[in-house]
Amino acid sequence: KQEVTQIPAALSVPEGENLVLNCSFTDSAIYNLQWFRQDPGKGLTSLLLIQSSQREQTSGRLNASLDKSSGRSTLYIAASQPGDSATYLCAVGRGYGNKLVFGAGTILRVKS
Amino acid sequence: GAVVSQHPSRVICKSGTSVKIECRSLDFQATTMFWYRQFPKKSLMLMATSNEGSKATYEQGVEKDKFLINHASLTLSTLTVTSAHPEDSSFYICSAPTGGRGKDTQYFGPGTRLTVL
Repeated sequence: KQEVTQIPAALSVPEGENLVLNCSFTDSAIYNLQWFRQDPGKGLTSLLLIQSSQREQTSGRLNASLDKSSGRSTLYIAASQPGDSATYLCAVGRGYGNKLVFGAGTILRVKS
Repeated sequence: GAVVSQHPSRVICKSGTSVKIECRSLDFQATTMFWYRQFPKKSLMLMATSNEGSKATYEQGVEKDKFLINHASLTLSTLTVTSAHPEDSSFYICSAPTGGRGKDTQYFGPGTRLTVL
């Protein structure tokens, strides 16, 4: 059974810092891995999707890496801003139709 | 990007009543949609896969007679919580994938907050 773990559970940083969020999964047989952002009481916004054959994806100040063999992914956020404050969720696509298994998330707070 | 809507966004009901939640893909067709449930400060748990034209596939431990799913068209899936009880109170989110197998991005609805009194 696939399990996804995210570390740290919560993170508070001053504005402008670069930061790394970690995600690990127990079964390396994944189709893809996706990072999402969730604002309080809201749905999910997809940030980055990494195919199983890829090593990383970049979008603006965000960079996500994937190491399937070790079962790890990281989300790097450069020059953090207060608007980045949210919960960040990592999810792996695990089968036909890409059902997703989610980690518990990292609650990020960027202080101005 | 693709848009998925949910209705209602918030519902409060009495114990024993049934509540229907709609999930719509607004600008693309979705033969498959997923229903998730999220408890406070917890992650999303997949409840079921909604399949257009066939029966939904439920995850282990999810009562199919309690959580009725109907995928009426290529753009609409509904989740009905029957005989709701306070323990059914939760945040329900649907999603729909676009693209081919293994290469799609999941687009999520804004969620429905259900409170059962």
